Parts: sequence; C-alpha cells; structure tokens
Amino acid sequence: DVKVTQSSRYLVKRTGEKVFLECVQDMDHENMFWYRQDPGLGLRLIYFSYDVKMKEKGDIPEGYSVSREKKERFSLILESASTNQTSMYLCATQTPAYEQYFGPGTRLTVT
Amino acid sequence: EDKVVQSPLSLVVHEGDTVTLNCSYEVTNFRSLLWYKQEKKAPTFLFMLTSSGIEKKSGRLSSILDKKELSSILNITATQTGDSAIYLCAVAPNRDDKIIFGKGTRLHILP
Repeated sequence: DVKVTQSSRYLVKRTGEKVFLECVQDMDHENMFWYRQDPGLGLRLIYFSYDVKMKEKGDIPEGYSVSREKKERFSLILESASTNQTSMYLCATQTPAYEQYFGPGTRLTVT
Repeated sequence: EDKVVQSPLSLVVHEGDTVTLNCSYEVTNFRSLLWYKQEKKAPTFLFMLTSSGIEKKSGRLSSILDKKELSSILNITATQTGDSAIYLCAVAPNRDDKIIFGKGTRLHILP
C-alpha cells in the first residue's frame, strides 16, 4: 500500500509568517506534487518535482517555493503567508503508470 | 490549452438511483484518464483508462473511455449514502508528468 503523510492536518498561521508543509512518501516514487484545493476552483497544481533537487512550476507557483533534498520528502514553503493562501493543501506521489496517491491534506488558515 | 471539464458540477439523487458522471477533455498527446473519489479527506484512486471502449468495473462503479469523443463516463448503480463524495476526473498527457484535473462533480445521495 502506498503511504503518503503530511506533517499537519490543521494549521493556523499569521500573515507574514513563514510556513513549512512537509510531505513524505514510502514508495520510492520519483514524482511528487503539491496542490491546493479551493471550493469552485478544484485542484490546482502549485509545484511538482520529478527527482531529488529537481522542481517545476505548476499553474499557481506565486508566493510558494519547494524543496526536495531527499527522494521521499517534498516540502512546500510559504515565504510570507497571506490570507489568500488559506486553503486545503494536498501532496501527491505518482506511479510510473500515472496513478496519483494523495496525502490526507493540510487545512491551512492564515489570519 | 489542455483542459478537463466535468459535468454536472453537482448532483443530488436518492439512494438506489443510478448516476452517470461525465468528463470531457482536450489535451495534446493523450496518455490516460483517471477517476478519483474524494470524501472528507484526500482523493482516492478509482480507475485508470487508456483504451477506448473497454469498461473498467469495481463493484457498483464502472467507467469507460471514448477516445473518439474525447470523453469518459463514470457510472454508479444502486447508489448508497456512502457514495456521497466529489468525483474527480484527470488526464495524463504524454509529453510530461503533469496530470490535469477537472473541477469535480459533487455527488450527494439522499437516504
């Protein structure tokens, strides 16, 4: 069974704080993804990584950065959190057959 | 621009009814189409479809791909309240590793 874990289920941060969201997978998959999900907008891709230290911007990378120092770990960083970054954040890993497996999600509230 | 469109956006039916959810896509170099079910947590993988006309089945759920019409349907027969969820359709194009998600269909089953 593929296991994808995220560091927090719920997080409340203040505007301007630096926020780290971490994702860990145990299946040795090369591809990992960060999405945010908002009502009416569906899943939107922020960044993805296809190997250690390799990253690509997704559809909405502004205000975010990522880090992939080890294959199993993919971190999403909000350099200076803003209220419009309040959202559900989902990490996913992908098999070579393009099946994506998601973590439980982090609901982030920025006040 | 690649896109995936799902319809309807939301649906309310009575327990026992049969429902059909639609997904249409426009992508260059199509590789596969995927269906996910999302309840309160993260999406879980249901089906992957690569060939036209071949039905995939899992219990009361089934799905089929029509590459000529650039579409897929997800059928749920004898619906139960546990089928209430958001159903996501996604397409994997051939050229890189990004999957494109539709906005989902929110299905609510009334007891």
